[in-house]
Amino acid sequence: QITLKESGPTLVKPTQTLTLTCTVSGISLRTSGESVGWIRQSPGKALEWLALIYWDDDKRYSPSLNNRLTITKDASKSQVVLTVTNVDPVDTAIYYCAHRRFVEWESDAFDVWGRGTMVTVSS
Amino acid sequence: DIVMTQSPDSVAVSLGERATIYCKSSQSLIYRSNNKNYLAWYQQKPGQPPKLLFSWASTREFGVSDRFSGSGSGTDFTLTISRLQAEDAAIYHCQQYLSTPFTFGGGTRVEIK
Repeated sequence: QITLKESGPTLVKPTQTLTLTCTVSGISLRTSGESVGWIRQSPGKALEWLALIYWDDDKRYSPSLNNRLTITKDASKSQVVLTVTNVDPVDTAIYYCAHRRFVEWESDAFDVWGRGTMVTVSS
Repeated sequence: DIVMTQSPDSVAVSLGERATIYCKSSQSLIYRSNNKNYLAWYQQKPGQPPKLLFSWASTREFGVSDRFSGSGSGTDFTLTISRLQAEDAAIYHCQQYLSTPFTFGGGTRVEIK
């Protein structure tokens, strides 16, 4: 059974760097085909995909965040870390990490999600 | 970027009736090498993360009621909930995973009339 759990600060000041950690269990981040992504949801808004990291350290980012995102992983700790630099109140959101299913050599949808962590950006 | 447009924004349906949600993509979601539609549907209830209902536009997840059906191909997709039950009240999201940046529709709120 795959589970994911997000952790990080609940309150961040504008211009600071936000660091979020996703701890994964039930899979190895070293296994070929595995990938984990970050998605956020601002209050009352749609889901917004942010970043994805693959087992081989290949990374994909949302261009709309203007190079403010960095995603890394530590397979030995089963953790995926997302940093968001220069945060603004518009970055206030629930941040989710999610597992992207890989079956029969095909990358599928996000099949397992963490419960999310609410981050507020305010001075 | 592929733009995903959902309609309606919200719909109120009586118990036992049918709810239909539409999702349109700005370009085809068919991957030529396998002829699959890279389209997912999620259900989200208050205070919960999204739950995957369908992948490949119409492949229902294990444990999802067969009252839910996904259909469509190319750029036009539909999620249908037949015989609506109270527990189906939620926000439904479509998402394309053909190419990054992955994109979601704006969500459709299904309410009980």
